[in-house]
Amino acid sequence: EPEVTQTPSHQVTQMGQEVILRCVPISNHLYFYWYRQILGQKVEFLVSFYNNEISEKSEIFDDQFSVERPDGSNFTLKIRSTKLEDSAMYFCASDSGGLETQYFGPGTRLLVL
Amino acid sequence: AQKITQTQPGMFVQEKEAVTLDCTYDTSDQSYGLFWYKQPSSGEMIFLIYQGSYDEQNATEGRYSLNFQKARKSANLVISASQLGDSAMYFCAMGDGYKLSFGAGTTVTVRA
Repeated sequence: EPEVTQTPSHQVTQMGQEVILRCVPISNHLYFYWYRQILGQKVEFLVSFYNNEISEKSEIFDDQFSVERPDGSNFTLKIRSTKLEDSAMYFCASDSGGLETQYFGPGTRLLVL
Repeated sequence: AQKITQTQPGMFVQEKEAVTLDCTYDTSDQSYGLFWYKQPSSGEMIFLIYQGSYDEQNATEGRYSLNFQKARKSANLVISASQLGDSAMYFCAMGDGYKLSFGAGTTVTVRA
């Protein structure tokens, strides 16, 4: 059964450093998403991406965040200068559009020290 | 803007019994989807069940059923015949075609 994959599973970084989180969405899906979940809190939408463009982004997704689909399979989230409050689980998700089910990857647990 | 409310922070259920998790939502959209996800302690988000706003019949997937009451804007999840492996956090979410908005979640603990 196809699944969304994410790497790395865990990442520890120093405040101010850049991190890139990687995702491989389900191959026939066209819409890609990033969400984050701060420990013990609810899942929050960051950004959606379709046809090499951002479709929608939340207030959390400020200038320090960017997304990219560098090739036909990977989808990345870059945080330029990490802050302590960026520590969270980051989930990638994908679907085939409309109101179809979004399938989530296993997440990357980011810890900023 | 969409808002999802889950009022039960935690619930205990006896093994083999049924449990109902409450979810209410608020939206001005006519077309939307309602989803339930399970998050075990390992952290992944597992899709359980989906209900479209225009679906007249309640969705069912194995032991999961969604009690959809559109006029009351509620989408409660019913888990029948609870198993120890059902112990997890459960999130209700609403999709508008661009993103999912999640509730705060309900922790379910199944007792043997």
